[in-house]
Amino acid sequence: AQKVTQAQTEISVVEKEDVTLDCVYETRDTTYYLFWYKQPPSGELVFLIRRNSFDEQNEISGRYSWNFQKSTSSFNFTITASQVVDSAVYFCALTRLDYQLIWGAGTKLIIKP
Amino acid sequence: GAGVSQSPRYKVAKRGQDVALRCDPISGHVSLFWYQQALGQGPEFLTYFQNEAQLDKSGLPSDRFFAERPEGSVSTLKIQRTQQEDSAVYLCASGYQGMNTEAFFGQGTRLTVV
Repeated sequence: AQKVTQAQTEISVVEKEDVTLDCVYETRDTTYYLFWYKQPPSGELVFLIRRNSFDEQNEISGRYSWNFQKSTSSFNFTITASQVVDSAVYFCALTRLDYQLIWGAGTKLIIKP
Repeated sequence: GAGVSQSPRYKVAKRGQDVALRCDPISGHVSLFWYQQALGQGPEFLTYFQNEAQLDKSGLPSDRFFAERPEGSVSTLKIQRTQQEDSAVYLCASGYQGMNTEAFFGQGTRLTVV
């Protein structure tokens, strides 16, 4: 069965520090997609990235970067030079059957000024 | 608006009351999803529509939950005889094709059953 584990329940760092959010997944599918979403206090889930299982290239978008490693079934997310506005709950998710998302429990990120 | 719109944003229901939650997806989006998010947890899949067809309702917790999308646009999630364990945020998302493209989420409806 598919499963997503975000072992870090809460992370607190001081602004401008780098922070990495871990995501480990389990699946027997050979083709799948991995996602990261951000959920600010307003509650809306904001899409950050989608990565398919055949593309192991790391991705960088501004201060955000993602490290996908199939060998360890991990899809970690790093924020460089964190800012207070990055404070939110971050979810990692995995597709099942092409239309369901299996979600991790989320990591609450607190950036202190 | 340009995004997924859900109404009401907040709903308080007395135990045993029926509720209806509305989702207005982004225009042109074929796929529509409902998820349930309990406090402090990740969302859980409830059901999936492609146009007006409900292709998967395996995540609906009980037969008290019912979802429809009769014209392939607006969707309604109905919960009959609400119970305290139904208290959660109900999230709607829409997209062009399953989850293989980006899905856009609404802000959710927070249901509290008292």
